[in-house]
Amino acid sequence: DAGVIQSPRHEVTEMGQEVTLRCKPISGHNSLFWYRQTMMRGLELLIYFNNNVPIDDSGMPEDRFSAKMPNASFSTLKIQPSEPRDSAVYFCASRGQYGNEQFFGPGTRLTVL
Amino acid sequence: AQSVTQPDIHITVSEGASLELRCNYSYGATPYLFWYVQSPGQGLQLLLKYFSGDTLVQGIKGFEAEFKRSQSSFNLRKPSVHWSDAAEYFCAVAPLGNNDMRFGAGTRLTVKP
Repeated sequence: DAGVIQSPRHEVTEMGQEVTLRCKPISGHNSLFWYRQTMMRGLELLIYFNNNVPIDDSGMPEDRFSAKMPNASFSTLKIQPSEPRDSAVYFCASRGQYGNEQFFGPGTRLTVL
Repeated sequence: AQSVTQPDIHITVSEGASLELRCNYSYGATPYLFWYVQSPGQGLQLLLKYFSGDTLVQGIKGFEAEFKRSQSSFNLRKPSVHWSDAAEYFCAVAPLGNNDMRFGAGTRLTVKP
């Protein structure tokens, strides 16, 4: 199995631009999580999906952030418009139906200038 | 309030020395417990997990952790550290039946030659 796949690995953009981060979970996993990691705040859960349905988005910082999961093998996290304070590493993780451990992707390092 | 505490932000040990990383949690009931490791520029990799049963759990890369209910702790240990163990280590908890995994702030491990 290829594990959780995230793209792009690095993204540099200018303030005000739209940013879309992508995630492909492990095949067969039915839960998907989006995290943000910064030096100041550590790892924060932004949103998670069960069976493609958003369950808890209370961690999404602002309306500028949105996430979708149109099918079991793909999810996106969009920031529009982006701001410098959104600069962070964004991780996607997935989990199978019968386990509680999450498997993390390699992350997307986002820099907003 | 539910929380996960890793008291040590940074630990330095000599190669070959023993290691113990501390983790304490505050939850209403015994949660699922995890240790993850993050190498620079990488995602998080699961080292080990505790759900129930034997309170001493073995993980990958020679790591082990001991669950102590009376102390609400789940400390990570390794008898002899290798230079390749230098990384950031995260303790995480997930309440039973709950998707909400909480991470500690992390402990950065430096290994001296």
